[in-house]
Amino acid sequence: DTGVSQNPRHKITKRGQNVTFRCDPISEHNRLYWYRQTLGQGPEFLTYFQNEAQLEKSRLLSDRFSAERPKGSFSTLEIQRTEQGDSAMYLCASSSSGTVREKLFFGSGTQLSVL
Amino acid sequence: KNEVEQSPQNLTAQEGEFITINCSYSVGISALHWLQQHPGGGIVSLFMLSSGKKKHGRLIATINIQEKHSSLHITASHPRDSAVYICAVSFTGTASKLTFGTGTRLQVTL
Repeated sequence: DTGVSQNPRHKITKRGQNVTFRCDPISEHNRLYWYRQTLGQGPEFLTYFQNEAQLEKSRLLSDRFSAERPKGSFSTLEIQRTEQGDSAMYLCASSSSGTVREKLFFGSGTQLSVL
Repeated sequence: KNEVEQSPQNLTAQEGEFITINCSYSVGISALHWLQQHPGGGIVSLFMLSSGKKKHGRLIATINIQEKHSSLHITASHPRDSAVYICAVSFTGTASKLTFGTGTRLQVTL
């Protein structure tokens, strides 16, 4: 399968624990995006990378959140000291930059539940 | 403020009906996407358009740039079309970062 892959699919954690999610984009895609989606809402932008450079971060991304894309391939999103409000679906998407109109391909998401 | 609004929020239709979902946005965009999300989270891109009209099978998407409005139509709807349909836009100057609407939950019954 050459689509966008996210792991794990589900994560249940206790408040205060750290969690890390992984996203493997489509191999030739140089842009990678993280979005967060809560129940009944559309996804909200968190951050994006072009190759290994993190070009933009949303104000939603508090200092407990950090994202990396060390070699310009896969990306990780870490949440430290999780809070119940962090419970959401975390979606990754990738695209190949060329113009601003490139099509995005989404992963299936990681569903985080903080107890 | 860059906003995207969709209507209706929920839609129930009988199999075979013609369905229209609407999306309006507040400021200039570089592209508009229609996406489909099934239970479990996976999002599939249906259309990306910046002008005019696109058709794929029973799905048709139109956009009116002057009126800042787009519609997604489904002809001869089928229960397998049941999903959440999301409109998302790239506002001018924001690269590919998408701003999403809250989605329209479609249920097609037999």
